[in-house]
Amino acid sequence: AQSVAQPEDQVNVAEGNPLTVKCTYSVSGNPYLFWYVQYPNRGLQFLLKYITGDNLVKGSYGFEAEFNKSQTSFHLKKPSALVSDSALYFCAVRELNDYKLSFGAGTTVTVRA
Amino acid sequence: GAVVSQHPSRVICKSGTSVKIECRSLDFQATTMFWYRQFPKQSLMLMATSNEGSKATYEQGVEKDKFLINHASLTLSTLTVTSAHPEDSSFYICSARAGDGNIQYFGAGTRLSVL
Repeated sequence: AQSVAQPEDQVNVAEGNPLTVKCTYSVSGNPYLFWYVQYPNRGLQFLLKYITGDNLVKGSYGFEAEFNKSQTSFHLKKPSALVSDSALYFCAVRELNDYKLSFGAGTTVTVRA
Repeated sequence: GAVVSQHPSRVICKSGTSVKIECRSLDFQATTMFWYRQFPKQSLMLMATSNEGSKATYEQGVEKDKFLINHASLTLSTLTVTSAHPEDSSFYICSARAGDGNIQYFGAGTRLSVL
């Protein structure tokens, strides 16, 4: 069975500071990993994915994530956060032969001006 | 990029009525669509997987007679909440699997309120 853990319910940072949202996963075999962002009363927007290749993945809006197989982690990062990055962030994982995604509980990011 | 349209965005209905929610992939063909339910400040719970031209696969605990799913074409899936009750009030979100199969693109969601 596959699962995702997002250990922090909330992350608060000042605008211009680095932002990190943590994610660890459990899956049989090689993972397919994703980050999505959700704004209030909206669906999820795709940010980035890791399938294979370079461990550092770059995505939309200046976000990036680093796949670490030994630590089974896929933390989301942004070097300089913006107030507009305030939203709910979800990490998700799936296995090679199963298109169903398992989502973490979500992390609310608040960036203060 | 791939766009998924979900309609309506909000619906208020009386207890006992049925509500239909549409999910369309606008610029790609989606052989598989997914329906999720999300409670306030919680994660997404997968309800069912919808494959074009075949019966939907429901997750454990989801009543198939309560939540009817139809995927009649490669661009349209519908979710009908039958005989809705207040406990069915929730945020319903659909997604569609794009061509390479690795990314799910999500609709904007439907806020259902049953009075």
